Amino acid sequence: QQPVQSPQAVILREGEDAVINCSSSKALYSVHWYRQKHGEAPIFLMILLKGGEQKGHDKISASFNEKKQQSSLYLTASQLSYSGTYFCGTGLRSGGSYIPTFGRGTSLIVHP
Amino acid sequence: DTAVSQTPKYLVTQMGNDKSIKCEQNLGHDTMYWYKQDSKKFLKIMFSYNNKELIINETVPNRFSPKSPDKAHLNLHINSLELGDSAVYFCASSQGFGTGETQYFGPGTRLLVL
Repeated sequence: QQPVQSPQAVILREGEDAVINCSSSKALYSVHWYRQKHGEAPIFLMILLKGGEQKGHDKISASFNEKKQQSSLYLTASQLSYSGTYFCGTGLRSGGSYIPTFGRGTSLIVHP
Repeated sequence: DTAVSQTPKYLVTQMGNDKSIKCEQNLGHDTMYWYKQDSKKFLKIMFSYNNKELIINETVPNRFSPKSPDKAHLNLHINSLELGDSAVYFCASSQGFGTGETQYFGPGTRLLVL
């Protein structure tokens, strides 16, 4: 069961903030965040493993709630370079393996 | 040095043809993956290999056959191509196959079936 992302799209001006949410009906083992620019490969941003965890670098940070059913990605004072599609991903347990599963993505457009 | 590389970058072919996509990683990772990304950008796992052993096979038509000659290479062969196979195919690698593993993606192969 793939994680659900919201919103589907965000349009901002430079300097504005954005929040992208990723939720699941069941507790997640982990949450990964990736950004994909048009025509390029997804690039890893960060991973959260523990309930209540918060991480960040520069002006991009993320949190994982205590129940491990929701994660949010925070983009502060957005820059033009933040434009792209953001994916949250997790691993769904299947036998002895984890099946990498991604949300459907959130398209972020930052205007000058 | 490119961490995960794929060839070719673009592939245009006719329905019914057979084609292969190659992937190589120089990160020393044990696990490699193939993903399909459709026109709506949905990224779906197809296969995963760990140390040359198939560990994930996600309900993919048997026209798709992965092959891992060694840990650093994972190739994808597609028989009898169909219009619906048109997509971007990404190769990725990670150190291991646990849920906490970061994946590194290749640049993608854009397949167009006419």
